[in-house]
Amino acid sequence: ETGVTQTPRHLVMGMTNKKSLKCEQHLGHNAMYWYKQSAKKPLELMFVYNFKEQTENNSVPSRFSPECPNSSHLFLHLHTLQPEDSALYLCASNRGEGLSTEAFFGQGTRLTVV
Amino acid sequence: GESVGLHLPTLSVQEGDNSIINCAYSNSASDYFIWYKQESGKGPQFIIDIRSNMDKRQGQRVTVLLNKTVKHLSLQIAATQPGDSAVYFCAERPLGEKLTFGTGTRLTIIP
Repeated sequence: ETGVTQTPRHLVMGMTNKKSLKCEQHLGHNAMYWYKQSAKKPLELMFVYNFKEQTENNSVPSRFSPECPNSSHLFLHLHTLQPEDSALYLCASNRGEGLSTEAFFGQGTRLTVV
Repeated sequence: GESVGLHLPTLSVQEGDNSIINCAYSNSASDYFIWYKQESGKGPQFIIDIRSNMDKRQGQRVTVLLNKTVKHLSLQIAATQPGDSAVYFCAERPLGEKLTFGTGTRLTIIP
């Protein structure tokens, strides 16, 4: 266990559905991240929150909407997704954005869009 | 653009032998590097890191070597075990910027 918990672990949703992914960390970290991992591609950074403030939106389509109510929780709200959005979505945290410290990852949510 | 890449997408090693996984990076401003291990169905797990003021760092059964002259990073795993089977990827961080990840090398341990 890395201290970063993601739920659900698996999610199948239709293109017209609305769902949310949840990430929680109690490591005392100040930065939280959403990454997308597709087959045979490097991890793609989607969003960064540092001290609850969004500091990065890496040209992510608006059908993905992040929310960070506090330093310990991060959500990714999904709506009207496309089949190509099927991937492993990973949450990570570290002590602070830009600091040279390792990021701790959750187990990921395997998302399938049908 | 800058990129982090791996020389080999797959590597098969006999159980008990040593493994060497390589990574090339191109951003000379990177001053921090991490190796991650990702097992099937799990998130990436931190293995070891190294800062640019070092050229070698050792952990438990793992050693990371950094050659800044040729922008090369390697992960050595001693006496590989079945549990070492996973995808390994490196990440680099230019000072004050975001981590950039490579695509990964799949390590398979042959019994």
